[in-house]
Amino acid sequence: DAEITQSPRHKITETGRQVTLACHQTWNHNNMFWYRQDLGHGLRLIHYSYGVQDTNKGEVSDGYSVSRSNTEDLPLTLESAASSQTSVYFCASSLTGNTQYFGPGTRLTVL
Amino acid sequence: GENVEQHPSTLSVQEGDSAVIKCTYSDSASNYFPWYKQELGKGPQLIIDIRSNVGEKKDQRIAVTLNKTAKHFSLHITETQPEDSAVYFCAATRGNTPLVFGKGTRLSVIA
Repeated sequence: DAEITQSPRHKITETGRQVTLACHQTWNHNNMFWYRQDLGHGLRLIHYSYGVQDTNKGEVSDGYSVSRSNTEDLPLTLESAASSQTSVYFCASSLTGNTQYFGPGTRLTVL
Repeated sequence: GENVEQHPSTLSVQEGDSAVIKCTYSDSASNYFPWYKQELGKGPQLIIDIRSNVGEKKDQRIAVTLNKTAKHFSLHITETQPEDSAVYFCAATRGNTPLVFGKGTRLSVIA
């Protein structure tokens, strides 16, 4: 079955380290998104991509970067992790104008 | 840009009663309004959606209504069951832009 996966599911890291969260989808969706979820803030968009080599900043993009070298993957990189980036991160994908499907999430703790 | 407000933030109902969650949006050009359900430890899952050319849509115990003039849409759950307990998110988009989410409603169904 087609699906969207995230890895790792849990990650503990230290302030200042570079961290990369993986997102992989097998639906051949052209659109992919990264959100963070924090209590009281709902889902906030970090970065998104509408196709290979396309990336766009979302509402809370500072300190994060993405690259899209193929259709299936959109890795999210925290260049220098900060405690404020402790959160649950969700990846999603969709076809243009249609439903977004979410991954199971990655819980990141920055100490 | 789009702004989505969601109310209430928490809602408790007795099993068998109805639950209503309301959202307002700011961009009159928004034309797609999905609702997601998020269970503990999981990613959000689409439960129902509505497009701007339709005023109401039903799927078994769940319905969504849309008032384009007032720019608000609502989720109605009838005959609530304990398994309906979750966090619900509304969202809005023009279709060629990322979804903008409300901050969520935590629904508790008391047996």
